[in-house]
Amino acid sequence: TAGITQAPTSQILAAGRSMTLRCTQDMRHNAMYWYRQDLGLGLRLIHYSNTAGTTGKGEVPDGYSVSRANTDDFPLTLASAVPSQTSVYFCASSEGGQVTEAFFGQGTRLTVV
Amino acid sequence: GQNIDQPTEMTATEGAIVQINCTYQTSGFNGLFWYQQHAGEAPTFLSYNVLDGLEEKGRFSSFLSRSKGYSYLLLKELQMKDSASYLCAVRDGNYQLIWGAGTKLIIKP
Repeated sequence: TAGITQAPTSQILAAGRSMTLRCTQDMRHNAMYWYRQDLGLGLRLIHYSNTAGTTGKGEVPDGYSVSRANTDDFPLTLASAVPSQTSVYFCASSEGGQVTEAFFGQGTRLTVV
Repeated sequence: GQNIDQPTEMTATEGAIVQINCTYQTSGFNGLFWYQQHAGEAPTFLSYNVLDGLEEKGRFSSFLSRSKGYSYLLLKELQMKDSASYLCAVRDGNYQLIWGAGTKLIIKP
């Protein structure tokens, strides 16, 4: 069972360039999330989607955009990367509604130079 | 504002018991989660509390007091593989998860 798959695993990106982080789940979960994790800080929500066709802004949405064209895929795009976006990015999913647990992908380590 | 506090780092001995505390201040409460995260890996779910009291699951137990805004994760019979970060997260009144920074647990032989 794959669960949630993120790609790439790691990336070095020049400042000013754009990039899309991919996330795919095979659990047919309604809700999906993008978090960033920085040393000394808790996971911070960037964007979320409660169901296919809808998205919402989290705590730190600036500089990021998402789309949810179908249930399985939830890509995160950085339009013009800046060094402060250097972080580990986690995609997660859950059944939605009165949620219990979230399932996480293995993460994407992004370095913007 | 909303806040989750947990110790940055703790050290314990293999075979012993350790308690990791979490205090929270959130706008509303709809459950508290504990996750385990090994270095370089994704967080994985450990426990969920929504009512006061103790939830036991094998060597791990989690306690909640909603009136005190307090939870703890109790790990018994510590093993070297328990060396990891433990993340406390609270689901607020809007059903959004608020995460603590995590407690790094170091197990020594």
